[in-house]
Amino acid sequence: KNQVEQSPQSLIILEGKNCTLQCNYTVSPFSNLRWYKQDTGRGPVSLTIMTFSENTKSNGRYTATLDADTKQSSLHITASQLSDSASYICVVSDPYSDKLIFGTGTRLQVFP
Amino acid sequence: DAGVTQSPTHLIKTRGQQVTLRCSPKSGHDTVSWYQQALGQGPQFIFQYYEEEERQRGNFPDRFSGHQFPNYSSELNVNALLLGDSALYLCASSFQGGDSNQPQHFGDGTRLSIL
Repeated sequence: KNQVEQSPQSLIILEGKNCTLQCNYTVSPFSNLRWYKQDTGRGPVSLTIMTFSENTKSNGRYTATLDADTKQSSLHITASQLSDSASYICVVSDPYSDKLIFGTGTRLQVFP
Repeated sequence: DAGVTQSPTHLIKTRGQQVTLRCSPKSGHDTVSWYQQALGQGPQFIFQYYEEEERQRGNFPDRFSGHQFPNYSSELNVNALLLGDSALYLCASSFQGGDSNQPQHFGDGTRLSIL
């Protein structure tokens, strides 16, 4: 079983709409939880980083939330743009090994 | 200020061959991590180099080896290539003495195809 699971696997929305991506993890404890955006053929780019004590972190139209009790995180995208089409990857940092554990990502497509 | 740069961008090899991928970290960074990303999957940690030594290793066979140079750049070597080694290989850099909550910076990867 993956230690970081994301849903949905893929999502299609219309430009201007909002959407929420989910991440469930079993890594506990953890140092931080990160959301990355990965455009096709490019490396991942960091959107947000939250420690276990933080509940929410925003970066422009991207807002990440964290519930350490239920081991869930979400990434909310407001007023989507065509350039938001990408894979969004949830990553949890293991404090003992300092390794990053990646989810398989959600593939978001925004259509005009 | 250049970010993480990787070379080559694309590479085609045949089974049994050997390959070397290269990575230059972001300026000011001293730690390099390598990841393998299969199509449609998240990156899988291969290993991490700091102070020219392998500090951590993921669940990859000995066919995967690496090196870090005094200027902090790094190489990933894969021997006896298998079809399953076809993937995007990502390099990420960070600063060991920095806040652990700082993001790793990724390069755009090397797309390796095995025929």
